Amino acid sequence: GESVGLHLPTLSVQEGDNSIINCAYSNSASDYFIWYKQESGKGPQFIIDIRSNMDKRQGQRVTVLLNKTVKHLSLQIAATQPGDSAVYFCAENIGSNYKLTFGKGTLLTVNP
Amino acid sequence: DGGITQSPKYLFRKEGQNVTLSCEQNLNHDAMYWYRQDPGQGLRLIYYSQIVNDFQKGDIAEGYSVSREKKESFPLTVTSAQKNPTAFYLCASAVGGGTGNTIYFGEGSWLTVV
Repeated sequence: GESVGLHLPTLSVQEGDNSIINCAYSNSASDYFIWYKQESGKGPQFIIDIRSNMDKRQGQRVTVLLNKTVKHLSLQIAATQPGDSAVYFCAENIGSNYKLTFGKGTLLTVNP
Repeated sequence: DGGITQSPKYLFRKEGQNVTLSCEQNLNHDAMYWYRQDPGQGLRLIYYSQIVNDFQKGDIAEGYSVSREKKESFPLTVTSAQKNPTAFYLCASAVGGGTGNTIYFGEGSWLTVV
């Protein structure tokens, strides 16, 4: 069945370092992927998205990489800041399906 | 301000009671969603609505009900049939379905059964 999972449940980095959060998906029909950031007690915030016809997309301090061959997605955060501390979720969508399937999340902790 | 408003932020329910969580959006989005999140877990879809007066069950619809009488409103009722309702509930909306239509979330409502 469909599933979206994360390799690492927790990630701890030093302020200023780069962070890489990984996500595996199992449904090769998925064609749209989104990364969300969720701070404690709040709703998820959109960070960046990528369509399956792309391998890489960059935003402000964030880059998403998509490897369709191995069904792997990653989120790279440059110069990680304490304000980046949160749980990060990847989510996938298939075609005209209205539903997003979410992974369980990775907790990113940034140490000053 | 444009956005998605959920209320109340915190709600306590006695066993056997029904409670309704409100979700309003002024983004003119067609699609609306309700997700449930348990501590340390991802989001699970309860119900979604693609258009006014239409909605579909998600993955965990049992014990919940919704209505979509207006485009901007999608209330969720947690019924007494839901045996483990304590959770964080998230409402979301999107322009429409299909690839590339990002889902945006409200700030969530905490429901605790006492």
